[in-house]
Amino acid sequence: EAGVAQSPRYKIIEKRQSVAFWCNPISGHATLYWYQQILGQGPKLLIQFQNNGVVDDSQLPKDRFSAERLKGVDSTLKIQPAKLEDSAVYLCASSLRAGVYEQYFGPGTRLTVT
Amino acid sequence: LAKTTQPISMDSYEGQEVNITCSHNNIATNDYITWYQQFPSQGPRFIIQGYKTKVTNEVASLFIPADRKSSTLSLPRVSLSDTAVYYCLVGDMDTGFQKLVFGTGTRLLVSP
Repeated sequence: EAGVAQSPRYKIIEKRQSVAFWCNPISGHATLYWYQQILGQGPKLLIQFQNNGVVDDSQLPKDRFSAERLKGVDSTLKIQPAKLEDSAVYLCASSLRAGVYEQYFGPGTRLTVT
Repeated sequence: LAKTTQPISMDSYEGQEVNITCSHNNIATNDYITWYQQFPSQGPRFIIQGYKTKVTNEVASLFIPADRKSSTLSLPRVSLSDTAVYYCLVGDMDTGFQKLVFGTGTRLLVSP
């Protein structure tokens, strides 16, 4: 079974630039999550999708972050404009359905903002 | 969401049994206890989940006392490849959109 795919794996941008991350969840998984993990900390949930609808985006900085999940499969997370404090690993995860604690994580995208 | 407390770091040697204890004094009746493992440069990986007493799988055992205010993840005969960060999470399985809340985890270092 293929895992959660993410791209790119690494990205370096200057502050005030924009960046986008892509995620392809495990086939058949209805729920998709984006997490931000700052060095030395645990992952923090940014947004959760159930199919193509948002069910939790309470910790998403909506003034600069946006995410979409068209057709309930792939998802993109965008930052515009980026700030230095956005430097982190962005993890995508998926699960069969909401409320399930076994989430499958991708390898993440390491973002460095200079 | 119940808050969890676990040691920041632990050291062990190959072949030893490692027990990581997590405190969750405010655990609610419907809450389950879940552990994740994270290797460097990888996303977290689900290890084990339990509600009470003992749960065992091919990777680890989870011990939960009767009052459920703490839990212990037991890794038998660790190897160098078990060096990772281990996260304890507590949450309500019955809530449709319950989210995972990760703390800082326990950094386990296994030495030869």
